[in-house]
Amino acid sequence: EAGVTQSPTHLIKTRGQQATLRCSPISGHTSVYWYQQALGLGLQFLLWYDEGEERNRGNFPPRFSGRQFPNYSSELNVNALELEDSALYLCASSPRGYEQYFGPGTRLTVT
Amino acid sequence: GQQLNQSPQSMFIQEGEDVSMNCTSSSIFNTWLWYKQDPGEGPVLLIALYKAGELTSNGRLTAQFGITRKDSFLNISASIPSDVGIYFCAGPISGGGADGLTFGKGTHLIIQP
Repeated sequence: EAGVTQSPTHLIKTRGQQATLRCSPISGHTSVYWYQQALGLGLQFLLWYDEGEERNRGNFPPRFSGRQFPNYSSELNVNALELEDSALYLCASSPRGYEQYFGPGTRLTVT
Repeated sequence: GQQLNQSPQSMFIQEGEDVSMNCTSSSIFNTWLWYKQDPGEGPVLLIALYKAGELTSNGRLTAQFGITRKDSFLNISASIPSDVGIYFCAGPISGGGADGLTFGKGTHLIIQP
């Protein structure tokens, strides 16, 4: 069974630009979660999507947004990039339970 | 939000030794999860706990859901070099139910040859 996949692996943007990160969940999983892992800040919850709807979001500004498509894949958009947005962005999927399975992440670097 | 305090921050051990780490919260959790993360990779789920007092094993790993529901413990027996990595505890942000997870800051496990 294929795991959670994320693309791209690495992304380099300049301050003020927009970044789009993509995630495909494990087949049969309907929930997708996004997390930010910045150096020194640990893993922080960003967004939760289930059945195409945003169910909850963490303590992040509105320029972090996303969506979930009918095939349950998801996209995370970060607008007006700031230097401190540089981090590993992790996507996880869950079969509507409590266990979340993570992808390898997208390393975003903002210069 | 929920804060998870994980200790120790790092451990330097010899191959073959047993390892113990723990996680505490000021609030009650209905679920505890333990993950391991290797450099440059996403966290891998090791063990999930759903009931106070529950003891669950996964190979050489054993985790326990504390009876107060405010703590959890992870033990690794007879450590081997591939156990090196960062171990995280996690629980639902809301304390229970399907939701985003809050994570501890991790325990760095380093095995000395």
